[in-house]
Amino acid sequence: GAVVSQHPSRVICKSGTSVKIECRSLDFQATTMFWYRQFPKQSLMLMATSNEGSKATYEQGVEKDKFLINHASLTLSTLTVTSAHPEDSSFYICSARRAAGDDNEQFFGPGTRLTVL
Amino acid sequence: LAKTTQPISMDSYEGQEVNITCSHNNIATNDYITWYQQFPSQGPRFIIQGYKTKVTNEVASLFIPADRKSSTLSLPRVSLSDTAVYYCLVALGTGANNLFFGTGTRLTVIP
Repeated sequence: GAVVSQHPSRVICKSGTSVKIECRSLDFQATTMFWYRQFPKQSLMLMATSNEGSKATYEQGVEKDKFLINHASLTLSTLTVTSAHPEDSSFYICSARRAAGDDNEQFFGPGTRLTVL
Repeated sequence: LAKTTQPISMDSYEGQEVNITCSHNNIATNDYITWYQQFPSQGPRFIIQGYKTKVTNEVASLFIPADRKSSTLSLPRVSLSDTAVYYCLVALGTGANNLFFGTGTRLTVIP
C-alpha cells in the first residue's frame, strides 16, 4: 500500500510553454502533498506544501505565479510550470502524507524529468 | 528546523556491513529520525524510522543514543544494488510537516 504515482514520468517542452505534472496517491487519502525539485547530483529542495482545498504554501525563493499548485482532491495534486525556461529543467518529485494515522512518513512519487529546450 | 549532517560519500565492499552516521544536534523533543534511500532518477524510498534506542526492520537497523543528537543507519551485508544516496531527516512526529533533505550520503558498493 501507500503508492504515489506521477504523470508524466518524462516531458520535453519548448521554452515558453506550460507543463502540468500530476501527483496521485493511489491507495490512500492525502490531505497534504509536497513538491520537491532536484537538480543533478544535488539534494531534494522543497518547493511547496500543498493542502487539499486550500492554497499551497511556498518556500522562500519559489515563485508561486510560476509554479502553480492545485490540490483539488484528497488523492490528486498538480504542479504547473508556467512559461517554462531551460533553467526550469529538473527532476520534480512529489510526496504525500496519509490523512489518517499518527506517523509522519511521507510516500514519494517516482519523479518527473522535465527538459525545457 | 533541525539540521542534519552526514558524510558526503562512502565506499564499501560487497558483503560488508555499512554504518552511516547522521548528526542532528538541535533535534527537538517531538522529532522522529527517518532515513530514505534514493536511486538515480527515482523518488526517495523510505528505509526506517525511529525515535530512540534501536529499531530494526527487514532491510536495516537504526541506532539512536540516549541524547538523540545523532543516529546511525546500519545496512547489513550490502550488495551492489545498495549503491544509492541515503538521506537522514528529522521531523515532527505528528501533524502536517514538511521534510527538508540535507546533502545525503552517496554510498558506493564495490564488487
